[in-house]
Amino acid sequence: AQKITQTQPGMFVQEKEAVTLDCTYDTSDQSYGLFWYKQPSSGEMIFLIYQGSYDEQNATEGRYSLNFQKARKSANLVISASQLGDSAMYFCAMRERDSSYKLIFGSGTRLLVRP
Amino acid sequence: GAGVSQSPRYKVAKRGQDVALRCDPISGHVSLFWYQQALGQGPEFLTYFQNEAQLDKSGLPSDRFFAERPEGSVSTLKIQRTQQEDSAVYLCASSRWGDMNTEAFFGQGTRLTVV
Repeated sequence: AQKITQTQPGMFVQEKEAVTLDCTYDTSDQSYGLFWYKQPSSGEMIFLIYQGSYDEQNATEGRYSLNFQKARKSANLVISASQLGDSAMYFCAMRERDSSYKLIFGSGTRLLVRP
Repeated sequence: GAGVSQSPRYKVAKRGQDVALRCDPISGHVSLFWYQQALGQGPEFLTYFQNEAQLDKSGLPSDRFFAERPEGSVSTLKIQRTQQEDSAVYLCASSRWGDMNTEAFFGQGTRLTVV
């Protein structure tokens, strides 16, 4: 079974609007971490935001927030006030405690911000 | 340097040739990871080092793939007798520690094309 599922291959959003990128995960661990990374066309993976499985509050980092619904095993990324520079691939990833701390990535969502 | 550095950025190899990809992690980072990213996909884990010890090599696709980190800093990923299916971007990442919530910093990757 897929550990991380991103069901939106591509998304469009109008500049200055908010957008939600979906991510669901599958794990039997009680302790795990969820990450979102941005990958522009230049290729590097840029860390955006982290949510621990025991964190009660949803994580926020500037314009990024993570809508964490543990019972549904979802960790959606919300980008507020989209900017043209937000156009990129976005990857959701999970780290489990007993997995050598490797990140398991989803297949990504390509976001295009329209002017 | 300030970030993770990978070289070369691009490599074209003839099928059957051996290649070596280099990763300079952020100074002092204990954990180092190699990932393989096929076109249009999320990165897939290859191997993990904690200092000089290779603790997990479960993602290496075949015995043609070999990684080392002899002094606990620079790492080399070697691919012997390259095949066309090895064509991908190879990403290196480092983390300060090996634990659940430490973010991984990625390099820009080496794009390998096997012809």
